[in-house]
Amino acid sequence: EPEVTQTPSHQVTQMGQEVILRCVPISNHLYFYWYRQILGQKVEFLVSFYNNEISEKSEIFDDQFSVERPDGSNFTLKIRSTKLEDSAMYFCASSEMAGWGTDTQYFGPGTRLTVL
Amino acid sequence: GQQLNQSPQSMFIQEGEDVSMNCTSSSIFNTWLWYKQDPGEGPVLLIALYKAGELTSNGRLTAQFGITRKDSFLNISASIPSDVGIYFCAGQLAQGGSEKLVFGKGTKLTVNP
Repeated sequence: EPEVTQTPSHQVTQMGQEVILRCVPISNHLYFYWYRQILGQKVEFLVSFYNNEISEKSEIFDDQFSVERPDGSNFTLKIRSTKLEDSAMYFCASSEMAGWGTDTQYFGPGTRLTVL
Repeated sequence: GQQLNQSPQSMFIQEGEDVSMNCTSSSIFNTWLWYKQDPGEGPVLLIALYKAGELTSNGRLTAQFGITRKDSFLNISASIPSDVGIYFCAGQLAQGGSEKLVFGKGTKLTVNP
């Protein structure tokens, strides 16, 4: 069964460093998402991406964050200068379609980001 | 912002018991989804609901999309130890064509053998 994959599973970085989290969405999916989950809290939306551009972003997704689809399979989240409060699980998700509430988002296993 | 109120926050039950959890909101949703999350893993989709009033089953799981489109419940019948985990409701809003999912805070389920 097709699934979303993410690498690395755990990333440790120093405050102020740049990190890139990588995702391979399900192959025939067209819509991609990043969510984060701070330890013990609910999952929060960061950004959605379609047709090589951001379609929606949350207040969390400030100028320190960027997303990119560098090739036909990968989808990346970059945090330019990490802060302690960026420590969280980051989940990538993808869906075949979007809008109209007619399709569902499938999540990857997550990358645990620890900022020291 | 949009909020999903999920209850209960946690449940401790004996194996074989039935479980019920629910989510409510002041906002109208086009879609309700129920996910299960094991420790250190991503949310795994259990059931998706697309129509108001829809009742859908997946094995021992049953979920319903409320008529008002502002609530949903999930029932688990005859619980087993592997049902342990955190269950999240999530919704896609009906307004503005937003694709983002809004998540509840989760229900942590513990099943005692």
